[in-house]
Amino acid sequence: QKEVEQNSGPLSVPEGAIASLNCTYSDRGSQSFFWYRQYSGKSPELIMFIYSNGDKEDGRFTAQLNKASQYVSLLIRDSQPSDSATYLCAVKWGNYGGSQGNLIFGKGTKLSVKP
Amino acid sequence: DTAVSQTPKYLVTQMGNDKSIKCEQNLGHDTMYWYKQDSKKFLKIMFSYNNKELIINETVPNRFSPKSPDKAHLNLHINSLELGDSAVYFCASSQLYGYTFGSGTRLTVV
Repeated sequence: QKEVEQNSGPLSVPEGAIASLNCTYSDRGSQSFFWYRQYSGKSPELIMFIYSNGDKEDGRFTAQLNKASQYVSLLIRDSQPSDSATYLCAVKWGNYGGSQGNLIFGKGTKLSVKP
Repeated sequence: DTAVSQTPKYLVTQMGNDKSIKCEQNLGHDTMYWYKQDSKKFLKIMFSYNNKELIINETVPNRFSPKSPDKAHLNLHINSLELGDSAVYFCASSQLYGYTFGSGTRLTVV
């Protein structure tokens, strides 16, 4: 059973602070990891993906991957109220053709950034 | 232009009815998916199609049947709707990196 675990939250941080979102996964063979953001009543949108151990930065967002610990995280620096949303961790399972394969999603962490 | 479009956006129907949800993508992606998001916001894959072939079929009731007339379309047909089918259904497509999701169809079975 391939599983992706996240704390459901809510995680509340003050504006300007760093928000830290965490995710663990069960399949040690997983190679690709994704973070999606979902605003209430909207569809998920891709924020970042990471394949290699270590950190990957994109603007205010940093994804961190530790395959030995089966752990992936997302840091949001200088958090803004507009970052308030549910953040979904997803792990790729399967590999066929040029496609991304099947994504298994965690249940999401709800983030609230207070002004 | 909307990259992945779903219709209808809202669907209210009675138990026992049959309904369809349509999805179209104009991104030229090879693979399309249907996901179900329940009331607890858990997003779970139902089906995926790669080049018109079903490649993943999760353990969903056979009342649900995906139909793909071509690479750009993946429709979802549901027979004999039940109360537990109420959820938001998302269509998505992918090529290499990241899924692009449609705006979702909120299905309510009464």
